[in-house]
Amino acid sequence: KQEVTQIPAALSVPEGENLVLNCSFTDSAIYNLQWFRQDPGKGLTSLLLIQSSQREQTSGRLNASLDKSSGRSTLYIAASQPGDSATYLCAPWSRAGGGNKLTFGTGTQLKVEL
Amino acid sequence: GAVVSQHPSRVICKSGTSVKIECRSLDFQATTMFWYRQFPKQSLMLMATSNEGSKATYEQGVEKDKFLINHASLTLSTLTVTSAHPEDSSFYICSAREQPASNYGYTFGSGTRLTVV
Repeated sequence: KQEVTQIPAALSVPEGENLVLNCSFTDSAIYNLQWFRQDPGKGLTSLLLIQSSQREQTSGRLNASLDKSSGRSTLYIAASQPGDSATYLCAPWSRAGGGNKLTFGTGTQLKVEL
Repeated sequence: GAVVSQHPSRVICKSGTSVKIECRSLDFQATTMFWYRQFPKQSLMLMATSNEGSKATYEQGVEKDKFLINHASLTLSTLTVTSAHPEDSSFYICSAREQPASNYGYTFGSGTRLTVV
């Protein structure tokens, strides 16, 4: 059974800092891995998708890397802004029944202060 | 990118009644949709996989007679919580992936906050 751990569980930083959010998963036989953000009381917004043949993906100030063999992914946020405040979730895709099953951890709750 | 619309966003119902939640894929077809449940401060837990034109596949421990799923078209899946009880109060979220597969991964709806009183 896939288990996902995200460290740190919570993070509070001043605006402008560069951040590193860590995700580890127990079953390295994954397909893709996707990072999301969730604002309080809202659904999930997809940030980055790292496909099976890729080791990293970039979008704007966000960069995510993936090391399947070690069961780890890292999300880098450059020059953080108050609008980045949210919970960040990583979700490895596990092959199941011919499809893909996403497994979530409890996420990293980020607060960026002015 | 793909958009998934979920309604209602909030619902309050009395114990013993049933509640229906809709999940629609806008501008793309989804033969498969997924229903998750999230308790406060906890992670999303997959409840079931909704398959267009066939029966849903439920995760272990999820009561299929309590959580009825219907996926009658390529753009609509519904989750009905039957005979709701206070312990069913939770945040329910659906997701889908554009077919044929896109580079966007899975798209999630905005969620439904269910409160059973």
